[in-house]
Amino acid sequence: NAGVMQNPRHLVRRRGQEARLRCSPMKGHSHVYWYRQLPEEGLKFMVYLQKENIIDESGMPKERFSAEFPKEGPSILRIQQVVRGDSAAYFCASSPQAGDRFFGPGTRLTVL
Amino acid sequence: QQQVKQSPQSLIVQKGGISIINCAYENTAFDYFPWYQQFPGKGPALLIAIRPDVSEKKEGRFTISFNKSAKQFSLHIMDSQPGDSATYFCAASMIGTASKLTFGTGTRLQVTL
Repeated sequence: NAGVMQNPRHLVRRRGQEARLRCSPMKGHSHVYWYRQLPEEGLKFMVYLQKENIIDESGMPKERFSAEFPKEGPSILRIQQVVRGDSAAYFCASSPQAGDRFFGPGTRLTVL
Repeated sequence: QQQVKQSPQSLIVQKGGISIINCAYENTAFDYFPWYQQFPGKGPALLIAIRPDVSEKKEGRFTISFNKSAKQFSLHIMDSQPGDSATYFCAASMIGTASKLTFGTGTRLQVTL
């Protein structure tokens, strides 16, 4: 049973470009959560999604950031017009209806 | 009300010693308290979790102690090993609604020989 998968593992973008981060939850998990971690800091909640629905986006910046979890395929975190401050590790976690959350290996975004 | 406060920020323990990390929460609706272990460059890995209906849970060398009235919980690592050197995060959520985890700020543990 594969764990949570994220790709790419490393992503380099220039200021103003778009970044797309993908997350495939564990088999049988219908809940996906995205977190951001800055160097030497904790994990900050961004958004919680179920299939085709955003449940809680209270941690998402109001501009440039969006997330989706379509009926088919992985969850996508999209950052438009990236800035240097977006450089961070982005982690996805998944869970079943009500259970333990398991994290993926993360995508490390570097904005030049 | 959503905060989870974690201490200490860093901890150095000798091999074989006991590592103790503490967390306190404010939201009395929280009913799920996991601990995560994170190695540099890796994602957080679920270590152990507890529900408030028990005061202690043990898995191998790792024990969670839970004090509902004080709204505190702690992680004890017995017989600490150099391989335990990592950053540890406590977290809390309301499991019934599969809601978001709120994380503590992390404790960097170093186990020396």
